[in-house]
Amino acid sequence: ILNVEQSPQSLHVQEGDSTNFTCSFPSSNFYALHWYRWETAKSPEALFVMTLNGDEKKKGRISATLNTKEGYSYLYIKGSQPEDSATYLCAFLNYGGSQGNLIFGKGTKLSVKP
Amino acid sequence: DGGITQSPKYLFRKEGQNVTLSCEQNLNHDAMYWYRQDPGQGLRLIYYSQIVNDFQKGDIAEGYSVSREKKESFPLTVTSAQKNPTAFYLCASSIRNEADTQYFGPGTRLTVL
Repeated sequence: ILNVEQSPQSLHVQEGDSTNFTCSFPSSNFYALHWYRWETAKSPEALFVMTLNGDEKKKGRISATLNTKEGYSYLYIKGSQPEDSATYLCAFLNYGGSQGNLIFGKGTKLSVKP
Repeated sequence: DGGITQSPKYLFRKEGQNVTLSCEQNLNHDAMYWYRQDPGQGLRLIYYSQIVNDFQKGDIAEGYSVSREKKESFPLTVTSAQKNPTAFYLCASSIRNEADTQYFGPGTRLTVL
């Protein structure tokens, strides 16, 4: 059974701090890695879909990197703001193999204090 | 506005009853998905459909059924055979398949009394 691990499970930072968290996934048969942001009482919202080793994507103060050979992706938030408080989910898609669907991690819950 | 709608937001069901959760999208997406979330767990796939009149089981399909008679609609029925139906259910869609960005609905919280 394929497994996607996210760390840390939760994170508390002060406004203005920069932060990062990790998504680990199987390095074989990689096809795509998704990042979503899920605010309380809202729908999960897509941040990035990454497919190539070495990919770096950026959206405002949020950026992500991808290493498919070693099986990890980092999500960075520069200068965290209270509105960044949310759960950040990553999801791995493998190519062929036993599971052809997105496998989601449990998420990293970020709380940003003003 | 384009998007995905789910109804109802909260649903209560007596044990032994079937219940159907609605999911509609007007994004003209081919693929639609149903996920279940339980406390402390990642989203788990119940069923998905990439085309009208066709759908595939996900990891936890037992006790659930779906239909895809129209491109816009992908209702999920939670049957009495589902052992632990109390959970939060999310519907999503994407343009073609799982490699594409998924767009999620607001979710339905089902509680079995």
